Amino acid sequence: EAEVAQSPRYKITEKSQAVAFWCDPISGHATLYWYRQILGQGPELLVQFQDESVVDDSQLPKDRFSAERLKGVDSTLKIQPAELGDSAMYLCASSSRTGANTGELFFGEGSRLTVL
Amino acid sequence: GQNIDQPTEMTATEGAIVQINCTYQTSGFNGLFWYQQHAGEAPTFLSYNVLDGLEEKGRFSSFLSRSKGYSYLLLKELQMKDSASYLCAVRDRGNDYKLSFGAGTTVTVRA
Repeated sequence: EAEVAQSPRYKITEKSQAVAFWCDPISGHATLYWYRQILGQGPELLVQFQDESVVDDSQLPKDRFSAERLKGVDSTLKIQPAELGDSAMYLCASSSRTGANTGELFFGEGSRLTVL
Repeated sequence: GQNIDQPTEMTATEGAIVQINCTYQTSGFNGLFWYQQHAGEAPTFLSYNVLDGLEEKGRFSSFLSRSKGYSYLLLKELQMKDSASYLCAVRDRGNDYKLSFGAGTTVTVRA
């Protein structure tokens, strides 16, 4: 069964350091999402790609966060410098718009970030 | 954007039924999803409603009323493994497949 791959699964870093997350969506899925989920809250959309183009990054803190999907396949999310409040689970998801599917999102296992 | 409200916590007994309500406000409704999320894991898709009415899938059912901005997820014959967070999510027509999530309802199933 096809899955969304994410790495690393866990990351511990000190504040002011740089951190990067990687995501490989399900093959053929044109839409890729990065969500941030703080413990006890629902996922919050950071950035949404359609192929290699950004569709929505209105909630991305652009002074420290950046995201790219250069070839319209895998994607990286970077934080520099990391702050204590960035501690959260970073979830990548993908979806397909072909056929009669619902457009449901398929999530990766997530990358849990702890900033000390 | 959307305002999505759901209860924070619910507790029920094994074998019982629990109903999780979700209310939302959106400028351009284009579908409502329910996801299940076990602690420390990623959300997994449970159900999808875009038209009014009830969608049944095994022990889980989901209902939608677009005029009331209301949905519920019904979990029947509860099992211990159903202890998880249940997330209500609304898709906005104005933003290509943008899915906004509620804070989630933590369901605890007791023996």
